[in-house]
Amino acid sequence: QKEVEQDPGPLSVPEGAIVSLNCTYSNSAFQYFMWYRQYSRKGPELLMYTYSSGNKEDGRFTAQVDKSSKYISLFIRDSQPSDSATYLCAINSGAGSYQLTFGKGTKLSVIP
Amino acid sequence: DAGITQSPRHKVTETGTPVTLRCHQTENHRYMYWYRQDPGHGLRLIHYSYGVKDTDKGEVSDGYSVSRSKTEDFLLTLESATSSQTSVYFCAISAGPSYEQYFGPGTRLTVT
Repeated sequence: QKEVEQDPGPLSVPEGAIVSLNCTYSNSAFQYFMWYRQYSRKGPELLMYTYSSGNKEDGRFTAQVDKSSKYISLFIRDSQPSDSATYLCAINSGAGSYQLTFGKGTKLSVIP
Repeated sequence: DAGITQSPRHKVTETGTPVTLRCHQTENHRYMYWYRQDPGHGLRLIHYSYGVKDTDKGEVSDGYSVSRSKTEDFLLTLESATSSQTSVYFCAISAGPSYEQYFGPGTRLTVT
């Protein structure tokens, strides 16, 4: 089993929809969870960073972590065409570890 | 945007030639990283640095070397480029080993 699994999509939704993006992981030592957005031919841009179970909200974005299920989610409310991008989850085990383990990304298209 | 620049942004080179990519940061972050991103593989760590002259190998370090003589600069060298090193290379920085990482704009390298 890969350490981090992420559905590659593509995922296509109408403008205004709620989008749910998900990753599962196998290593219970993982403690820090990040979501990145990557536009075509650009570098990954950090959207959310969290290290605890529960929800963290930032504008239209909500990151959710369920450590008991080893499952993380990113919700996008009122999705916009400008949200069309590839979304990457990244996980770190903490305790001074430099290593980020990335999912392979989900490609999202928001249709006007 | 995190103050990270990469140069060159695009490069085409021939098999067997040496290539050096440069990452420059203005954030004074201690940690710097080089990743490559390939379809089907996602982001993979090549090398990282935890201080001036302090570097270590990542997941896919064969055929690459790095140097860091100043806090702000991290160089990636392909000693003898091969076609398998055709990729997009990203530099990232972080304030600490378990902190969030911020990515540069990327260098698109083609080895013919």
